[in-house]
Amino acid sequence: EAGVVQSPRYKIIEKKQPVAFWCNPISGHNTLYWYLQNLGQGPELLIRYENEEAVDDSQLPKDRFSAERLKGVDSTLKIQPAELGDSAVYLCASSTNGQGQETQYFGPGTRLLVL
Amino acid sequence: QKEVEQNSGPLSVPEGAIASLNCTYSDRVSQSFFWYRQYSGKSPELIMSIYSNGDKEDGRFTAQLNKASQYVSLLIRDSQPSDSATYLCAVNLKAAGNKLTFGGGTRVLVKP
Repeated sequence: EAGVVQSPRYKIIEKKQPVAFWCNPISGHNTLYWYLQNLGQGPELLIRYENEEAVDDSQLPKDRFSAERLKGVDSTLKIQPAELGDSAVYLCASSTNGQGQETQYFGPGTRLLVL
Repeated sequence: QKEVEQNSGPLSVPEGAIASLNCTYSDRVSQSFFWYRQYSGKSPELIMSIYSNGDKEDGRFTAQLNKASQYVSLLIRDSQPSDSATYLCAVNLKAAGNKLTFGGGTRVLVKP
């Protein structure tokens, strides 16, 4: 079974430029998560989808970040414009549902460097 | 107080010894607890989940949960150099709408 797929794996951009990340969850997983992980810290949830509905986006900085999961499968996370402080690893994860006891499976992440 | 707290380490243990990692959490009604391992430059992978008070063993790993004291621990027996990684404690916080909240991780170094 294929795992969570993310692309690109690495991205270097200049500040104020836009950037987008893509995630394909494990087949059959209804719940999709985007996390931000800074160096030396644990992942922090940005947004959680149940199918195509964003059910928790309270930690998403909506002035510059946006996300979508139009058909309830793939998802994109966008930053526009990027700031220096956005340099981090962006992790996508998926699970069968969002009830709390299920395992979240993480993708390899996208390492973003903003210059 | 952070919602999930871990000692950042590094925790240095000799090969073959027991590594003991601790995690405390703030939400008294939390029900689901997870330990993830993260190698440098890689993504987190689940090694243990625990939902009831007591011990849960899986190979060389034992998770211990004490809900009354609001802590969860992980023991790694017969530590191997390949166990050198950062171990992330994650708690499903009911008070936050079933949000999985991670601690900062404990870095473990197993020395041959």
